[in-house]
Amino acid sequence: QITLKESGPTLVKPTQTLTLTCTFSGFSLSTSGVGVGWIRQPPGKALEWLALIYWDDDKRYSPSLKSRLTITKDTSKNQVVLTMTNMDPVDTATYYCAHSAGFDYWGQGTLVTVSS
Amino acid sequence: DIVMTQTPLSSPVTLGQPASISCRSSQSLVHSDGNTYLSWLQQRPGQPPRLLIYKISNRFSGVPDRFSGSGAGTDFTLKISRVEAEDVGVYYCTQATQFPITFGQGTRLEIK
Repeated sequence: QITLKESGPTLVKPTQTLTLTCTFSGFSLSTSGVGVGWIRQPPGKALEWLALIYWDDDKRYSPSLKSRLTITKDTSKNQVVLTMTNMDPVDTATYYCAHSAGFDYWGQGTLVTVSS
Repeated sequence: DIVMTQTPLSSPVTLGQPASISCRSSQSLVHSDGNTYLSWLQQRPGQPPRLLIYKISNRFSGVPDRFSGSGAGTDFTLKISRVEAEDVGVYYCTQATQFPITFGQGTRLEIK
């Protein structure tokens, strides 16, 4: 079955760079049509899409955050990495990774707090 | 960006009664390939979102048949035929027809 799990720091300081890793199983990112995306959710607020990477290395970003985001994949490790630069307290949120643009499978999420 | 607007934002429902949530997009969600990439997600308290419905009306694996989706173009509806206690949570519509992917604000379903 398909599973995804997010990992990374739970606390980052303002201006630092956040690096999150999504480790998945049950599918391959070398299979045509497959993608992995990142979505975040500030406490008590709605979902916000961040980025998506496809099997062919096509990358899509939220326009409002594009200058701060980088998404990469390591097919051999079944991992997708998201980096977000210049973190701010407003970036405090639970960060999720999900399978494909259809969001049919989600990780449990990881809460990232931005505070000095 | 395509704006997704859900109504109502909160829906108190009696157990066993039906519930309905509407989602309107700021432009047509019909993709050039002919599909409409409109999905519905459920987020129970303390849980990650879960896919309920994809491409307007297709129930995802394991989703009870009391959930149904309908609509076309810019107007879509999620219906629950008989609300159960486990349906409490927040429901989101989302579109993947055009990047950036966008979500509705969420509709909180609660039991009266």
